[in-house]
Amino acid sequence: EIVLTQSPATLSLSPGERATLSCRASQSVSGYLAWYQQKPGQAARLLIYDASNRATGIPARFSGSGSGTDFTLTISSLEPEDFAVYFCQQRSNWPRTFGQGTKLEIK
Amino acid sequence: EVQLVESGGGLVQPGGSLRLSCAASGFTFSSYSMNWVRQAPGKGLEWVSYIDSSSSTIYYADSVKGRFTISRDNAKNSLYLQMNSLRDEDTALYYCARESAVAGFVGYWGQGTLVTVSS
Repeated sequence: EIVLTQSPATLSLSPGERATLSCRASQSVSGYLAWYQQKPGQAARLLIYDASNRATGIPARFSGSGSGTDFTLTISSLEPEDFAVYFCQQRSNWPRTFGQGTKLEIK
Repeated sequence: EVQLVESGGGLVQPGGSLRLSCAASGFTFSSYSMNWVRQAPGKGLEWVSYIDSSSSTIYYADSVKGRFTISRDNAKNSLYLQMNSLRDEDTALYYCARESAVAGFVGYWGQGTLVTVSS
């Protein structure tokens, strides 16, 4: 099973700042990694798929990069609605696995 | 508009059974692979099971293999999860999840149905 490790567990930033979230895989997943956003009491929303492709309707301030085992989600300038929990997920191997999440909170 | 509505959750004793259902609408259900994903209270997401559009390919997480069975009825636009031999650690919000246009990721989620396993 591929283990995805996200860091940091919690990131405290202010609106307007740049956020950088990391996801590291225990073995290569090529580029087959996605990022999701989850707000309290809501289901998750797909942001980025295959490492760097924005899903439909996702603002350009969200970008993804990486390949192999190291991936990054960047939010260029935080909006108030961006404070949430972010998960990565791989589709390279079965079973599909998620990271444990990074909570992005307002500083 | 894509809609996924789960039902069937509730309180069950350890060792008991439940059957979850997911009613799909707003898309051609028979064309998409589907998943169940769960989230324990205050925890992260855990993929549970996958079924392709024709029910010919099915996968399970090791944690539920041999206890849970995924199925679908394309004529009824419905997805199911039969859960047997339930354990405390199966307590979670269970989401019905449709694959995105890119296979392997979730494009749409239901609101979830809560399963609580407790004596």
